[in-house]
Amino acid sequence: DIQMTQSPSSLSASIGDGVTIKCRASQSIGNSLNWYQQRPGKAPNLLIYGGSSLRGGVPSRFSGSGSGTDFTLTISSLQPEDLATYYCQQSYTSPLTFGGGTKVEIK
Amino acid sequence: EVQLVQSGVEVKEPGESLKISCKGSGYSFASYWIGWVRQMPGKGLEWMGVIFPADSDTRYNPSFQGLVTISVDKSISTAYLQWSSLKASDSAMYYCVRPRAAAVDYFDYWGQGTLVTVSS
Repeated sequence: DIQMTQSPSSLSASIGDGVTIKCRASQSIGNSLNWYQQRPGKAPNLLIYGGSSLRGGVPSRFSGSGSGTDFTLTISSLQPEDLATYYCQQSYTSPLTFGGGTKVEIK
Repeated sequence: EVQLVQSGVEVKEPGESLKISCKGSGYSFASYWIGWVRQMPGKGLEWMGVIFPADSDTRYNPSFQGLVTISVDKSISTAYLQWSSLKASDSAMYYCVRPRAAAVDYFDYWGQGTLVTVSS
């Protein structure tokens, strides 16, 4: 199985700050990397697919980059509603696997 | 509007059987894979498997093969996740998901989740 490792596991930032979350795959996955946001008590929601494509309706402050084994999710200016846990997921091969999650808290 | 609506909270005892459901609407149900993701309490996401309603082709995560059964009734646009004998370790939130196009793909739609609690 492809292992997905996220860092950090949690972070705390102020409103308006830029936030960066990293995801590393145990082998090359091309650009088959997706990001999800899970707000407290809710189902996850797709933010970014194919490494850098923003899903329709997702605010432009979210962006994704990377290819191969190293990927990044960036929130350019943190907003109160961004309080959530963020997961990366590889869709390169079965079984599909997720990172362990990054919990984003607001200072 | 695409919607995946799951069945409600379940509280069961160890050894009991269970079948939870997910009804799709707003799209051609038979033409898209549909699957399940587990989230144990306070933990991350685990892909369990998917099924293609048109022909019931089913793909399992080896970690879940033999432990659960994924099925579908395309006549009522509903997918199922089934256990024959529950264990306490099956206690989790289970999400129904729709992969974008292929069995191995990202999930563009999620159900609201079904909480399963197994306790004596």
